Amino acid sequence: GENVEQHPSTLSVQEGDSAVIKCTYSDSASNYFPWYKQELGKRPQLIIDIRSNVGEKKDQRIAVTLNKTAKHFSLHITETQPEDSAVYFCAATTNAGGTSYGKLTFGQGTILTVHP
Amino acid sequence: DTEVTQTPKHLVMGMTNKKSLKCEQHMGHRAMYWYKQKAKKPPELMFVYSYEKLSINESVPSRFSPECPNSSLLNLHLHALQPEDSALYLCASSHIQGARYEQYFGPGTRLTVT
Repeated sequence: GENVEQHPSTLSVQEGDSAVIKCTYSDSASNYFPWYKQELGKRPQLIIDIRSNVGEKKDQRIAVTLNKTAKHFSLHITETQPEDSAVYFCAATTNAGGTSYGKLTFGQGTILTVHP
Repeated sequence: DTEVTQTPKHLVMGMTNKKSLKCEQHMGHRAMYWYKQKAKKPPELMFVYSYEKLSINESVPSRFSPECPNSSLLNLHLHALQPEDSALYLCASSHIQGARYEQYFGPGTRLTVT
């Protein structure tokens, strides 16, 4: 099955700095890579995603890059703000075995702390 | 409506109790999921329903019994749970057609088994 590794496990930055979180996956059939942000006591919230036919996607201060050859993808947050502090999970999914929905495999999470 | 709702928000139950968790979505999604999340860990998939049929059971103990009465509702029936089952239980839903796999999570039910 799919295995997703996420680094770093914790990340501390100053407000205004950039933050980068990296994930690698094992199954070359994976074709959809979402990123979730989870604040303490809240639900995981989808913040950005990328599909295997795209190399980069950007949404305001957040961007995701995908390298299919190396099987890794990264989340980039620019101009970080204290409200960006949360746990971030990457995930990979594949439409494998003829299933018609995505079975998400999550990374272990990164605790991001943005200091004012 | 772009929300997944779950009730109750919190649940405390004894090991001999029977309780149910409920999940509802009105986004027209035909895939619905139950996840279990322990503190500081990622969500772990438990069950997947596709077109109201159970498609995936990730070897979950039989004390957890899912049910999908219709395309908008998903239940998780709990019976004879163990203290180690205490966790946040998250429901999610997604489309099935094409490659629209975006999963949207509900707020979760914080379950404590005493």
